[in-house]
Amino acid sequence: SQTIHQWPATLVQPVGSPLSLECTVEGTSNPNLYWYRQAAGRGLQLLFYSVGIGQISSEVPQNLSASRPQDRQFILSSKKLLLSDSGFYLCAWSVIGRTEAFFGQGTRLTVV
Amino acid sequence: AQKVTQAQTEISVVEKEDVTLDCVYETRDTTYYLFWYKQPPSGELVFLIRRNSFDEQNEISGRYSWNFQKSTSSFNFTITASQVVDSAVYFCALSEAGDYKLSFGAGTTVTVRA
Repeated sequence: SQTIHQWPATLVQPVGSPLSLECTVEGTSNPNLYWYRQAAGRGLQLLFYSVGIGQISSEVPQNLSASRPQDRQFILSSKKLLLSDSGFYLCAWSVIGRTEAFFGQGTRLTVV
Repeated sequence: AQKVTQAQTEISVVEKEDVTLDCVYETRDTTYYLFWYKQPPSGELVFLIRRNSFDEQNEISGRYSWNFQKSTSSFNFTITASQVVDSAVYFCALSEAGDYKLSFGAGTTVTVRA
């Protein structure tokens, strides 16, 4: 069966520090991968999605970037965090050709 | 542009009551997909259902049921005989054919009191 791992679960980082959140999927090949952010107040916003290694699409201009160095690995990064980057970050995957996404457990990021 | 509206911000019910969550969507595509997700306090989004635009048949899964009506662009979700474990934020989402992303509604927080 397919599983998705996301870490860390919680993170407190100072303003201006770098960020790296990692997500890996097991049990499937060539998945679509996604990073969503959920700010306080619940709304989910798609940040990035990837349909293959090295292929990244950005939905919202921001202080973040994403990379997919391996088929089942998706990384969310920032060189310098802003206070506004605080939120709950969720990685997700879907099978190519299908749009139902399956989510990781999320990372709660607090920038202080 | 696609859009999903969940007008109910919060719903509070007593255990065993039924609760219906409203979802209204907008899309110009004739082929699209609708979803419901549950987000319990732990934070992980749990996939509940996917419905394509050509299948208007209502669906029942245990205490959960979904009512899809294209005429009113609605995809409502009912929890029958609610339980405390149903307390969560519920999201409705939409994707259009050929699009990889899900557009989420703002979510409805359901609180079931014992």
